[in-house]
Amino acid sequence: DAGVIQSPRHEVTEMGQEVTLRCKPISGHDYLFWYRQTMMRGLELLIYFNNNVPIDDSGMPEDRFSAKMPNASFSTLKIQPSEPRDSAVYFCASSRRTSGANRADTQYFGPGTRLTVL
Amino acid sequence: AQSVTQPDIHITVSEGASLELRCNYSYGATPYLFWYVQSPGQGLQLLLKYFSGDTLVQGIKGFEAEFKRSQSSFNLRKPSVHWSDAAEYFCAVGIPGTNAGKSTFGDGTTLTVKP
Repeated sequence: DAGVIQSPRHEVTEMGQEVTLRCKPISGHDYLFWYRQTMMRGLELLIYFNNNVPIDDSGMPEDRFSAKMPNASFSTLKIQPSEPRDSAVYFCASSRRTSGANRADTQYFGPGTRLTVL
Repeated sequence: AQSVTQPDIHITVSEGASLELRCNYSYGATPYLFWYVQSPGQGLQLLLKYFSGDTLVQGIKGFEAEFKRSQSSFNLRKPSVHWSDAAEYFCAVGIPGTNAGKSTFGDGTTLTVKP
């Protein structure tokens, strides 16, 4: 299995530009998570999906951020317009509900996208 | 809501010494517990997990963790640290129910290994 795939790995953009981060979860996983990691705030959960439906987006910082999951194998996180304070590493992770259990299991993280907004 | 506390922001140990990283959680029942490791420039990787049963859990890379209900703790241990263990370690908890899918992560502990 290729694991969780994220693209691009690095993104440098100017303030005000639109940024789109992409994620392909592990096949067969029904949960997908977007996280942001910075030195100041640590690891933050932005939003997560179950079976392509957003379950909890309370971590999305503001309306400039949006996430979609049009199908089970693809998700995007968009920032429009981007600001310097959005500079961070963004991780996508996926997980699978354990059969017969009321819980998800291990989260598998992608390598992250390092975003720099100038 | 559940919470996770990792009291130590940074720990330094000598290579070959033993290691214990602390994790405390706040939740009314037994949560699902995880330890992840993050090497520089990489995503998080699972070290071990506890759902039920034997309270001493073995993981990869020689790590183990013990769930202690009375102390609401899930501390990570390794008897002899290797230089390659230098990384950031995250404890996480998940709970059943409405938000069964997500885990709450601690703030992490950075491990430095001295030669």
